[in-house]
Amino acid sequence: GAVVSQHPSWVICKSGTSVKIECRSLDFQATTMFWYRQFPKQSLMLMATSNEGSKATYEQGVEKDKFLINHASLTLSTLTVTSAHPEDSSFYICSAPGLAGGGQYFGPGTRLLVL
Amino acid sequence: QQQVKQSPQSLIVQKGGISIINCAYENTAFDYFPWYQQFPGKGPALLIAIRPDVSEKKEGRFTISFNKSAKQFSLHIMDSQPGDSATYFCAARSGAQKLVFGQGTRLTINP
Repeated sequence: GAVVSQHPSWVICKSGTSVKIECRSLDFQATTMFWYRQFPKQSLMLMATSNEGSKATYEQGVEKDKFLINHASLTLSTLTVTSAHPEDSSFYICSAPGLAGGGQYFGPGTRLLVL
Repeated sequence: QQQVKQSPQSLIVQKGGISIINCAYENTAFDYFPWYQQFPGKGPALLIAIRPDVSEKKEGRFTISFNKSAKQFSLHIMDSQPGDSATYFCAARSGAQKLVFGQGTRLTINP
């Protein structure tokens, strides 16, 4: 199946700093990628849709100025958590659609801990 | 209308038994229904998926049953093994490839 990677796998940062998370499709091109957030023992919540060559579209309630998304190429999307605070601590996961009509393939996730 | 309701929240099954997880949806525009398996600290992995024009799909020990009129679908895991212990999510795809996830089921298979 299609492979999606994320980097870093985990990050610890101080409150007020910014953190960048990369999502790459390794063996296929993705004009669209999705970013999710998952709190412990909860389901995945879609944050935004990353579109190559255009602005990301954010779900209701997600601050676009706080969660900056850039889809620089057909294989790379980045999520930057700006001025991170402890409440931003979570598991961030990206995904990309596979072949036409198929499912989404998820990255391994990035654990963010803001102290 | 965009919700997918999943039950049970947790499930304990003896080794060799059948694990059954159920999901229900409201939006008839959903066109694709995947199931994902997630281990702690890992991203979800696509397990099996079905389209609404099919009533059942089987892949190895995993079977999806789909009831379009009732707007329900379920995952059956036959001969459940301890390695199947994980959290399972059903999902439904709407337009623009977006997925709506169920709440998840934590499955424990006792040896």
